[in-house]
Amino acid sequence: AQSVAQPEDQVNVAEGNPLTVKCTYSVSGNPYLFWYVQYPNRGLQFLLKYITGDNLVKGSYGFEAEFNKSQTSFHLKKPSALVSDSALYFCAVRDKYGNKLVFGAGTILRVKS
Amino acid sequence: ETGVTQTPRHLVMGMTNKKSLKCEQHLGHNAMYWYKQSAKKPLELMFVYSLEERVENNSVPSRFSPECPNSSHLFLHLHTLQPEDSALYLCASSPRDRAYEQYFGPGTRLTVT
Repeated sequence: AQSVAQPEDQVNVAEGNPLTVKCTYSVSGNPYLFWYVQYPNRGLQFLLKYITGDNLVKGSYGFEAEFNKSQTSFHLKKPSALVSDSALYFCAVRDKYGNKLVFGAGTILRVKS
Repeated sequence: ETGVTQTPRHLVMGMTNKKSLKCEQHLGHNAMYWYKQSAKKPLELMFVYSLEERVENNSVPSRFSPECPNSSHLFLHLHTLQPEDSALYLCASSPRDRAYEQYFGPGTRLTVT
């Protein structure tokens, strides 16, 4: 079955520093991978996706993610973190039949000034 | 943010009560989803409706009863819930043939006392 793992419950970063939120995946076939962000008291918002093409995917709010097939990873990155980036981040993969998303447990990102 | 709306935003109910959660999407989508979000757990997909027909029911207890009267509205009827059902319930919608392009509502925070 398709699955993703987010090994870190929480990531702490100082404002202005680069950030990385980790995600690894396990799929059969070609992966469709996604990142979503959830701000307090809000629903999930789409950040970016990888379906095919360049391994470095750029998304909303200055975020990007790097698809690494050999390491089965899809880590979320940003060169310079903002306090307003503090939120809950979910990695997701499309299921084998394409009719739903499978989400990870989420990683809390805390950016401190 | 206004593409998918959910009401109420907060709900407190006793174990013997009957209540309903409502979701409405204004995106022209034809697939809708209910998720349960509990702390430190992956998002749990509960139900999927495609063209108003239920296509997935992930072993959800019968005390949760979904209803999809048309492609824009989705309900979750609740009765005789348990305290462990307290969670954030998220609604999402997508084009039927692109289930990975889901847009989420802000959720209903449910507390069962």
